[in-house]
Amino acid sequence: DTEVTQTPKHLVMGMTNKKSLKCEQHMGHRAMYWYKQKAKKPPELMFVYSYEKLSINESVPSRFSPECPNSSLLNLHLHALQPEDSALYLCASSLGPGTLLNPEAFFGQGTRLTVV
Amino acid sequence: QKEVEQNSGPLSVPEGAIASLNCTYSDRGSQSFFWYRQYSGKSPELIMFIYSNGDKEDGRFTAQLNKASQYVSLLIRDSQPSDSATYLCAVYNQGGKLIFGQGTELSVKP
Repeated sequence: DTEVTQTPKHLVMGMTNKKSLKCEQHMGHRAMYWYKQKAKKPPELMFVYSYEKLSINESVPSRFSPECPNSSLLNLHLHALQPEDSALYLCASSLGPGTLLNPEAFFGQGTRLTVV
Repeated sequence: QKEVEQNSGPLSVPEGAIASLNCTYSDRGSQSFFWYRQYSGKSPELIMFIYSNGDKEDGRFTAQLNKASQYVSLLIRDSQPSDSATYLCAVYNQGGKLIFGQGTELSVKP
């Protein structure tokens, strides 16, 4: 089983709203990732959690706030977003972080976010 | 120079032919290499990974890695229309970041 579950699948939010994206995996993976993907572009790394600790933040604006409550869950809290933040937000997980054994990353189905 | 580079395509091949997708990377210390397939509007799906120099085969797919040349490729034999998608090359760099190339759009014509 290589399932990573993301909710919601679609989200429309206003620029003054606060919302959260959720990601869940039950594969015992210890690394979890948030990516942002715009149309016709590759996924762009935002955050990496390794053993429930934030290990990489790719200089993401503070209106995006990640959280890892436990080893199975990853959240992305959204506040005061801009229309240009509209994109597909992808969560991924891997058994080990990038430089260790079994770093193969599996992606969830993504959340299609539209900011109006 | 981009960390991971691919020809954006589109690459068009007839059904039954071999599709060859190429990727180069700049971080010589990279150890792990991946190919993802992404259908339009869907998320990336891992189809191959390779860690050692040489070839790795899985069904119709063969990944090839040459660390000295910093080059990784994907061959798809007996291409089918259902293989039409964007193929993303991804590399873990020494900083532990999984970095994607721009993707190559493949079109398999019946």
